[in-house]
Amino acid sequence: AQSVTQPDIHITVSEGASLELRCNYSYGATPYLFWYVQSPGQGLQLLLKYFSGDTLVQGIKGFEAEFKRSQSSFNLRKPSVHWSDAAEYFCAVGAGTYKYIFGTGTRLKVLA
Amino acid sequence: GAVVSQHPSRVICKSGTSVKIECRSLDFQATTMFWYRQFPKQSLMLMATSNEGSKATYEQGVEKDKFLINHASLTLSTLTVTSAHPEDSSFYICSARDGQRVTDTQYFGPGTRLTVL
Repeated sequence: AQSVTQPDIHITVSEGASLELRCNYSYGATPYLFWYVQSPGQGLQLLLKYFSGDTLVQGIKGFEAEFKRSQSSFNLRKPSVHWSDAAEYFCAVGAGTYKYIFGTGTRLKVLA
Repeated sequence: GAVVSQHPSRVICKSGTSVKIECRSLDFQATTMFWYRQFPKQSLMLMATSNEGSKATYEQGVEKDKFLINHASLTLSTLTVTSAHPEDSSFYICSARDGQRVTDTQYFGPGTRLTVL
């Protein structure tokens, strides 16, 4: 069955530190992969997406993610976190017929 | 580009009444729209997939007679929560797929907070 796992429910980092949010997926075919960010009480904003080609994907706000087929992973990274990055982050896989399956999310807290 | 709006952003209603939530794609034609429900501090659960001009496809466990979905045009889908009860209180988010783009990307609305008293 298709699934997305985000192992870390909460992550706390200091401002200026590097960040990596983990995402593992289970999908039979080549997946479409996405990272979205959600601020409290808001909708989801697309950070980046992977469909094919270069496995290192650049997104908005200085984020990047790397698709590793052998590890079924699509981890999100940022070299230097800003206080405004505090939010909920969701990984999603395109599951055919345009549907997405979302992970459970990782809540990021940034310490000043 | 690719902006999706929802209206209202917040609604409070009495138990037993019906509530309609609108989802609009403002600058593209959305052949497919999706409705999600999100409980506090939880992920998004897909409720239904809505295709313009046809009946919505509901996910398992979602009552289609309770959550009526209409997708009458390429820019508008509506979700009506009928005979709402307190357990229907939640954050409802819609998304839209741009049918003109090759890539399969959903654009999300800002969400609607429904509180049923």
